[in-house]
Amino acid sequence: QQPVQSPQAVILREGEDAVINCSSSKALYSVHWYRQKHGEAPVFLMILLKGGEQKGHEKISASFNEKKQQSSLYLTASQLSYSGTYFCGTEYYNQGGKLIFGQGTELSVKP
Amino acid sequence: GAVVSQHPSRVICKSGTSVKIECRSLDFQATTMFWYRQFPKKSLMLMATSNEGSKATYEQGVEKDKFLINHASLTLSTLTVTSAHPEDSSFYICSATLIGGETQYFGPGTRLLVL
Repeated sequence: QQPVQSPQAVILREGEDAVINCSSSKALYSVHWYRQKHGEAPVFLMILLKGGEQKGHEKISASFNEKKQQSSLYLTASQLSYSGTYFCGTEYYNQGGKLIFGQGTELSVKP
Repeated sequence: GAVVSQHPSRVICKSGTSVKIECRSLDFQATTMFWYRQFPKKSLMLMATSNEGSKATYEQGVEKDKFLINHASLTLSTLTVTSAHPEDSSFYICSATLIGGETQYFGPGTRLLVL
């Protein structure tokens, strides 16, 4: 039941945009997005709970589709500090808050 | 707010010994803590869910007797890797949720190396 993330890796120049997708085969209770830098713990970015929801955090935003099976993370005007591995964590209904993480998307922002 | 600490940050031990890792929520109470394992360049794999005052719930394939979890208070959960072997070497990360909250806040992780 691991969600599928795409792409697996992306390389950007500073100022470019990127989209990371996270898909589930069945409806989700929520989607959580995290960024992890090498050797560090994941850092929480945002959580989406409602179908059709869109949420923003500075130049990083995310959406959750109406069927609650797919979420996308949008990174606009990327900065060097955006580099890292992005994970979506998916929570299914009645799972007591348990998250199943996607395989990750490695993002590299170059000057 | 919502800071989670782990101790130790790194540990090297000999094969056959046991290692205890502590996970603390510093500025909030957490009824639920989660333990994950992560191999290099891989995803976070949930090992178990730890609820204060009750037995941990382990994911399929995780040995309960090998990875002992205790959640003695609303701010502390411990993971003990018993009779550690080189294949147990990994990055172990805990997370905690605020009471009634949805978000998991992660600790800084513990890197275990078993020789």
